[in-house]
Amino acid sequence: GESVGLHLPTLSVQEGDNSIINCAYSNSASDYFIWYKQESGKGPQFIIDIRSNMDKRQGQRVTVLLNKTVKHLSLQIAATQPGDSAVYFCAENRANQAGTALIFGKGTTLSVSS
Amino acid sequence: DGGITQSPKYLFRKEGQNVTLSCEQNLNHDAMYWYRQDPGQGLRLIYYSQIVNDFQKGDIAEGYSVSREKKESFPLTVTSAQKNPTAFYLCASSMGLAGTYEQYFGPGTRLTVT
Repeated sequence: GESVGLHLPTLSVQEGDNSIINCAYSNSASDYFIWYKQESGKGPQFIIDIRSNMDKRQGQRVTVLLNKTVKHLSLQIAATQPGDSAVYFCAENRANQAGTALIFGKGTTLSVSS
Repeated sequence: DGGITQSPKYLFRKEGQNVTLSCEQNLNHDAMYWYRQDPGQGLRLIYYSQIVNDFQKGDIAEGYSVSREKKESFPLTVTSAQKNPTAFYLCASSMGLAGTYEQYFGPGTRLTVT
């Protein structure tokens, strides 16, 4: 079925390095994508979103890239800090007969060492 | 946690009992959602509601029920028919349809059924 997936379940980086977290999606009709950060025992927090009419969007230390040709989404975190350690989820919108909801991938666990 | 309250944070029940999880939001959002999260997994949609007195089944609605009598509240009942109810339950809300607006998440309720 349609799903959002991630290339790697875990990613380990050194403090100060740049991190890149990847996500592949399967629904070419999806037109809205979000990255969330989830710390242990907490709800997901919004990081950044992007619509399909864009291929890049920047926030504070984060950049999301969208490649619709290969249905690939990535989150880049600049100068990664220990506080960035968390699970990162990508999500895509899904239009269905009754309405719209988000589909979430399984997540990538980012570990930042000092 | 963006004005979304879930209570309690931890909940313990005996097998065969129904249990209701609370979700309240003061963001004046029209849409509300319930997700289930299992260890190492992404979020799976249980039910969502786009407007008061209306709700739709998500991917894993069996064994769950909801109501949306007020805009601010979207309680989830885990019935005895749910075969594997132990999980982390997350409530979310958005200004409108999830495909257009980001979702804000509550802190979650960890339900343990023995």
